[in-house]
Amino acid sequence: GAVVSQHPSWVICKSGTSVKIECRSLDFQATTMFWYRQFPKQSLMLMATSNEGSKATYEQGVEKDKFLINHASLTLSTLTVTSAHPEDSSFYICSARDLLNEKLFFGSGTQLSVL
Amino acid sequence: GDSVTQMEGPVTLSEEAFLTINCTYTATGYPSLFWYVQYPGEGLQLLLKATKADDKGSNKGFEATYRKETTSFHLEKGSVQVSDSAVYFCALRGGAAGNKLTFGGGTRVLVKP
Repeated sequence: GAVVSQHPSWVICKSGTSVKIECRSLDFQATTMFWYRQFPKQSLMLMATSNEGSKATYEQGVEKDKFLINHASLTLSTLTVTSAHPEDSSFYICSARDLLNEKLFFGSGTQLSVL
Repeated sequence: GDSVTQMEGPVTLSEEAFLTINCTYTATGYPSLFWYVQYPGEGLQLLLKATKADDKGSNKGFEATYRKETTSFHLEKGSVQVSDSAVYFCALRGGAAGNKLTFGGGTRVLVKP
């Protein structure tokens, strides 16, 4: 079946540094990818919709300058958490919509811990 | 806005036991309802779905019925296996948020042999 590879699966960084998370569709093309975050015992919250070749659409309350999204190809979207702080520590998940059948596939998530 | 509430885990049960995970929702209009499952180390996968009231979604022995009168979509399985250990997410699409998925918080299920 279709696979979405998300990397890294976990990362620990110092406060003030930037962290990049990659989301790749391995055997299908995706014009649209989604980025979610999840705090412990809370729902997955949609952060932004990433559109290939254009600017991402951010949900209300998500800082676009802090969470930079790049979707430069039909198989890759990246989320960069800039100047990370401890409150950015969370579980981040991406998903990709198959261009051909519009099915949605998810990555396995990235646990970010900011010290 | 839309919201999905599901029971907190973890839920621990023995093999062959009956599993129920409650899910209720709040949404405008007539949303579609989904259950996703995330096995350890893997991405979320669609388990089953229902698109209108009284529809029953089923897959891998799991079932859930879209109950509009109680705004619920409870997941059930009659006899669980160790391999069913995973995190289960209830979700909806098509309410106020349009085509975007709104998720519940997830319920971790641990099945012991």
